[in-house]
Amino acid sequence: NAGVTQTPKFRVLKTGQSMTLLCAQDMNHEYMYWYRQDPGMGLRLIHYSVGEGTTAKGEVPDGYNVSRLKKQNFLLGLESAAPSQTSVYFCASNNGGVAYGYTFGSGTRLTVV
Amino acid sequence: AQSVTQLGSHVSVSEGALVLLRCNYSSSVPPYLFWYVQYPNQGLQLLLKYTSAATLVKGINGFEAEFKKSETSFHLTKPSAHMSDAAEYFCAVSDRLGGYNKLIFGAGTRLAVHP
Repeated sequence: NAGVTQTPKFRVLKTGQSMTLLCAQDMNHEYMYWYRQDPGMGLRLIHYSVGEGTTAKGEVPDGYNVSRLKKQNFLLGLESAAPSQTSVYFCASNNGGVAYGYTFGSGTRLTVV
Repeated sequence: AQSVTQLGSHVSVSEGALVLLRCNYSSSVPPYLFWYVQYPNQGLQLLLKYTSAATLVKGINGFEAEFKKSETSFHLTKPSAHMSDAAEYFCAVSDRLGGYNKLIFGAGTRLAVHP
């Protein structure tokens, strides 16, 4: 019963490098979300997807791209990492009914130096 | 758009004391409301939720929250704090963005419990 799995758990990047964060869910959820968590700012929505092949911008999308080629996977890409993207990234999923809340992954701690 | 305000970024209580974490939301239309808990180096876990049924909602680990429409509040309480309650707590509210319902999170309150 894995739920939402995020890889990697930790990563250090140099400014200008690129990387992809992977989120995988095994609950057949339609909706998936990427948040970033920064001290004193809570969780802010980066991008989300309402189904396979769809993506949409959240509150803080600049500097990130996403793809949802398969229903179970939601990828978050950083094309040219900046120190301002140092954060903890969380993926979440649900079946569209917000009343049920979200299921969260355990997070990816990214440091850009 | 909805916003969520959590009063107090840090709250410290003694073991056995009452825990009160405050949350206010902005909309006059009753939304769905949630409390999540995050233990160190872990993801967020759902503590409890209000979805327009009973205004007093009971959650896991002895926590409860009361929805007060007139005060646009959804404060989290626990009668007697345990050391294991030390964590960060997030209040969240549903909002409709881009044609879909999503959760908007508060900045979080870090709860410390002292012996």
